[in-house]
Formats: sequence, structure tokens, C-alpha cells
Amino acid sequence: QTVVTQEPSLTVSPGGTVTLTCASSTGPVTSSFYPNWIQQRPGQAPRALIYSTTNRHPWTPARFSGSVLGDKAVLTVSGVQPEDEAVYYCALYFGGAPVVFGGGTRLTVL
Amino acid sequence: EVQLVESGGGSAQPGESLRLSCVASGFTFEDSGMHWVRQVPGKGLEWVGGISWNSAGIVYGDSMKGRVTVSRDNAKRSVFLEIRSLRPDDAAMYYCAKDLGGFVTTDLQHWGRGTRVAVSS
Repeated sequence: QTVVTQEPSLTVSPGGTVTLTCASSTGPVTSSFYPNWIQQRPGQAPRALIYSTTNRHPWTPARFSGSVLGDKAVLTVSGVQPEDEAVYYCALYFGGAPVVFGGGTRLTVL
Repeated sequence: EVQLVESGGGSAQPGESLRLSCVASGFTFEDSGMHWVRQVPGKGLEWVGGISWNSAGIVYGDSMKGRVTVSRDNAKRSVFLEIRSLRPDDAAMYYCAKDLGGFVTTDLQHWGRGTRVAVSS
């Protein structure tokens, strides 16, 4: 069974920079996994942020950026705002399973 | 404005079936792949399945495969999720999502607000 792993929780200060990672149990994550990042604020529905590794949706603030570094997909948030406090999910493509979500990273802004 | 409105959730008993619906507006529905994702309260997202624009491609996640059917009616701008043999662990919020393109990919672009399913005897 394919497992996608994220940090369970991270804390960042307002204005700081934080990096969230997304790893695959099958090996290194590359752009061929089409990494997506999704934000879910408390009590709200999920909202897409990044698709196909690096692409922002029109509503995604420029402080969010996606990449692949080493063997993981990475979401970097620069100049963190209080409203960025949320759970962030990555999703990877695995051929016969087009969408496999990670367990999510709870980001606390403190 | 893209809108996805789910309905059909509610309370059901173990072993029963349920059919969830999602009505779409604000985009060319007949050109879009669609997905269903569920979330147990307090837990993470779990992909249930997806359907391509013309229903030729339907893919299911492992956890519910064999008990669910995803279908769509382009004339009604709707996508459906039928869940059979409901179990208590099927209790969750079920979200409908629009794919960025016409097929079932990893790019879930827009999400609805969900419909809640409760399962208990």
C-alpha cells in the first residue's frame, strides 16, 4: 500500500518562512508525481493551492510556492500570515491511483 | 463563479445504500473531470474516486472500491456517488471536487462544501 508522508505539525512565527514536505513510500518524489498542495482552514472545505509541483491557482497568494527538493515535494510559505494557520495536504499521482493524499501537516502560526 | 453543491447526506443504518449528488455551476461541466473525496471528522482527506468528462474513465480509490459507484449526468450538470453496504466507518464528510482538466488527474481545482453522512443503528 502506497503511503504519502507529511510532518504532523509545524509552528512558525508571523512573518517567518516555513517548509512543508511530502514523501512517498515508493521512493523519491519527482515532478512525475504531479504534486498538489491543498489548504484546509478550521471548519472550512479544502482549497487547492498548488498543482503540478509549482503552479499556483489564480487565488493562491504569491507567498506560497511549490517545488521538488531532494526526494520530496515541498511547499514553502514565505512571510507567513495569521490566516495561513491551517492543515496542509499534499496529493501525489501513482498511476492506477491518481490521487493519494498525505496525512496532512497542521501549521500553527504563533 | 464556480460552485459545487453536494446533497444526499444524512443518517443511514449499516448495510443500507446512499446516493450523494453534486450539482455544478459556473464552468463548462461537460468538459470537466470530477472527483469525490471524504473526510472522517478530525482526520485527513481520502480520495474515493473520479470520473472523466465523458464517463469513459472512472477510477476508484482502494478503500471503498467495490462498494461505490461514481456516475455523472452532463445534462443535469451533476455527479453522483452511490455507496452500498454502508458501514459505521463510512461516516464522514463527502466532498465533490472539479478536476483542472477533463480527466481524472491529481489536480483537484475546486471543492464543494461537502455533505455529511452518519451511519449508525
